[in-house]
Amino acid sequence: EAGVTQFPSHSVIEKGQTVTLRCDPISGHDNLYWYRRVMGKEIKFLLHFVKESKQDESGMPNNRFLAERTGGTYSTLKVQPAELEDSGVYFCASSFETGGEQFFGPGTRLTVL
Amino acid sequence: GNSVTQMEGPVTLSEEAFLTINCTYTATGYPSLFWYVQYPGEGLQLLLKATKADDKGSNKGFEATYRKETTSFHLEKGSVQVSDSAVYFCAPLIKAAGNKLTFGGGTRVLVKP
Repeated sequence: EAGVTQFPSHSVIEKGQTVTLRCDPISGHDNLYWYRRVMGKEIKFLLHFVKESKQDESGMPNNRFLAERTGGTYSTLKVQPAELEDSGVYFCASSFETGGEQFFGPGTRLTVL
Repeated sequence: GNSVTQMEGPVTLSEEAFLTINCTYTATGYPSLFWYVQYPGEGLQLLLKATKADDKGSNKGFEATYRKETTSFHLEKGSVQVSDSAVYFCAPLIKAAGNKLTFGGGTRVLVKP
């Protein structure tokens, strides 16, 4: 069974540009989470989808970040416009049950120059 | 609020040494407790978990016991190997806080031959 996949693995963009990250959860997992780790900081929660609905988006830093999960399968996280402080590693995770074990993807390393 | 305190690294050990990584947390209710590991160049993997007080999680020679009275979940391994070199993250999952993981800062462990 395939695990959580993320694309791209690494993205380098300039300040002001737009980047879209993609996450494909494990098939059958209704719960999808986004986390990120910016340089020198802890891994922080961004948001949680249950199917296509945003269950909790309390961790989204500002309105430059937009997450979608149309159809309740894969999810995208768009950053527009990107700022220097957005650089870090963005992790996606999925779980079968809400509150159950979360399986993580390999992460997308975003570098904003 | 909910938080995790994890011993800072890096921790440098020789092969076959005993490893302890301390983790304490503050949380409302009774969280499930997880240790995740990130090997060099890879994503986060679940190492072990415990879902209720006095439970002991174990995997790959690592153990951690859910101590409700001290709100701790210290990770131990009796004899480390070079392949255990990685970053270890303690992460409670607090259902009252939306079922999101709250991560510690991570502890980098380097095992030398």
